[in-house]
Amino acid sequence: GAVVSQHPSRVICKSGTSVKIECRSLDFQATTMFWYRQFPKQSLMLMATSNEGSKATYEQGVEKDKFLINHASLTLSTLTVTSAHPEDSSFYICSARDAERGYNEQFFGPGTRLTVL
Amino acid sequence: GQNIDQPTEMTATEGAIVQINCTYQTSGFNGLFWYQQHAGEAPTFLSYNVLDGLEEKGRFSSFLSRSKGYSYLLLKELQMKDSASYLCAVTDSNYQLIWGAGTKLIIKP
Repeated sequence: GAVVSQHPSRVICKSGTSVKIECRSLDFQATTMFWYRQFPKQSLMLMATSNEGSKATYEQGVEKDKFLINHASLTLSTLTVTSAHPEDSSFYICSARDAERGYNEQFFGPGTRLTVL
Repeated sequence: GQNIDQPTEMTATEGAIVQINCTYQTSGFNGLFWYQQHAGEAPTFLSYNVLDGLEEKGRFSSFLSRSKGYSYLLLKELQMKDSASYLCAVTDSNYQLIWGAGTKLIIKP
């Protein structure tokens, strides 16, 4: 149990285009989902916390108009990178909390590698 | 501020034992996690400590001392597949996960 999927696993796009990444909790309801970004050889950086049915809370320095997050259901959150540029190339990882299992545990998706040309 | 410290890199020999330390200073404490992350992959859960003491799970054990703000991950009978980054993360009073930068473990034959 507690499986989180992400789609796509890898995406290459041209500069200026928008990319949508989906994060799904497959066998549990996730009231809270988290979006992380990880640059090569660096640790995870939390971008935003997403609660179902409400606006996402963004970390300092993360542009909310550039990284649009939607958490419309208890099993799906999406991250849209708008007008992507080469510096947005990174590994994007989502995680989800299973409220029934315990408040602390986060389960991670497999990640999405974004390359912007 | 909130801070988690762990060594950047460690090297160990296949079959040996290695201990990866983590010290933390956070606003409140609601548990400490250890995650394993292979290159190019997402982190996978290894252990969770919220009370002082040692938690053993197969070849991996995790220890916590809340009074010292200290934890370690102990890996026994090291295998080549254990080569990965090991991330220490603490849940603060707001249940936010604060991440360490990770320790890259290199296993040599």
